[in-house]
Amino acid sequence: AQTVTQSQPEMSVQEAETVTLSCTYDTSESNYYLFWYKQPPSRQMILVIRQEAYKQQNATENRFSVNFQKAAKSFSLKISDSQLGDTAMYFCAFMITAGGTSYGKLTFGQGTILTVHP
Amino acid sequence: GAVVSQHPSRVICKSGTSVKIECRSLDFQATTMFWYRQFPKQSLMLMATSNEGSKATYEQGVEKDKFLINHASLTLSTLTVTSAHPEDSSFYICSASPVTSGRGVETQYFGPGTRLLVL
Repeated sequence: AQTVTQSQPEMSVQEAETVTLSCTYDTSESNYYLFWYKQPPSRQMILVIRQEAYKQQNATENRFSVNFQKAAKSFSLKISDSQLGDTAMYFCAFMITAGGTSYGKLTFGQGTILTVHP
Repeated sequence: GAVVSQHPSRVICKSGTSVKIECRSLDFQATTMFWYRQFPKQSLMLMATSNEGSKATYEQGVEKDKFLINHASLTLSTLTVTSAHPEDSSFYICSASPVTSGRGVETQYFGPGTRLLVL
């Protein structure tokens, strides 16, 4: 079974500064995706960024980037130039993309509540 | 594009009654839809996977007879909570994966969620 662990229940950062959220995962699979989702107070899940396991290059999306360490099974999210609108709960998630009973299922971490202060 | 809606957004019901929650993909067809449950300030837990035209696949520990899932078309899946009890009160979220060629199941779009309160 796959597990995703987020060890930081809460984080805070000043506006315009940089913050890194941690995530580790455990799997014996080789074909998978990793995701970071954001859930603001509206509770709508929003995809922030995703990484394909076979790609060595770290994914980036504007102010969001990841540090994907496959051997260490680590997938951290860096948010640069933090904005007030980044305040949300952030979930790291894992998905197997090969066949089998777990195909397409998202396994989420416990979440990290990020607060951006003005 | 890629909008998923849920109806209702909020529902309050009496213990023992059944409640149906709809999940619709508004501008794409979805081969697969997923249903999650989320308690306050907790993570999303997958309840079941719904494939159009076939029976849903439930996760371990999820009661099939209590949480009835139907995926009758490529744009609609429903979750019915039968004989609801206060412990079923939660936030229910669906996601949908498009049929479009070139996109795999890694592309999923989430609905806004339904808050269920059972009195």
